[in-house]
Amino acid sequence: DVKVTQSSRYLVKRTGEKVFLECVQDMDHENMFWYRQDPGLGLRLIYFSYDVKMKEKGDIPEGYSVSREKKERFSLILESASTNQTSMYLCASSRRRESKNIQYFGAGTRLSVL
Amino acid sequence: AQSVTQPDIHITVSEGASLELRCNYSYGATPYLFWYVQSPGQGLQLLLKYFSGDTLVQGIKGFEAEFKRSQSSFNLRKPSVHWSDAAEYFCAVGASGGSNYKLTFGKGTLLTVNP
Repeated sequence: DVKVTQSSRYLVKRTGEKVFLECVQDMDHENMFWYRQDPGLGLRLIYFSYDVKMKEKGDIPEGYSVSREKKERFSLILESASTNQTSMYLCASSRRRESKNIQYFGAGTRLSVL
Repeated sequence: AQSVTQPDIHITVSEGASLELRCNYSYGATPYLFWYVQSPGQGLQLLLKYFSGDTLVQGIKGFEAEFKRSQSSFNLRKPSVHWSDAAEYFCAVGASGGSNYKLTFGKGTLLTVNP
């Protein structure tokens, strides 16, 4: 079974802090994704990576950056956390070839910025 | 650009009743279609998927969905709902072919099951 692991289930941070959300997958998937989930808005794509050191902006990249130094790990970075970044963050991964875009999700990190 | 509409924000059914959750998509060619389920505080789990061929697809937990090209729909059904089906359900569309690996999700339908 594919396993996507997000390092924290819950995080509480203060405004202005630099925040790192970590995601690791164990299936050698090329593609990795970070989403933000808010009530009534569904899932919105923040960033996407299709290879090591490669990234592509999603629909709402402002205020976020990402890092993919190793194939299995994809980090989401909030350079200076703000209260409007309080949300549920979901990481996903997929195989590039013949995957037909099936994405596998982690359990999520619920971030509160105070 | 692809898009997904889930017209029902919240649905309540009684345990044992049948269920249909609606999903309409917009995409220029034959899309890849998915239903995911999210239990409270959890990530998304894939329920079922449609790529091509038979338009009625079976998934896990007794769910099925039917692809109707003429209506641009991919509705999710279950003949008899169990209390454990209470969750949020997301329909998603992906581009077939090419190098677009992204999925576009609907805003979700929250299912409440009454005893």
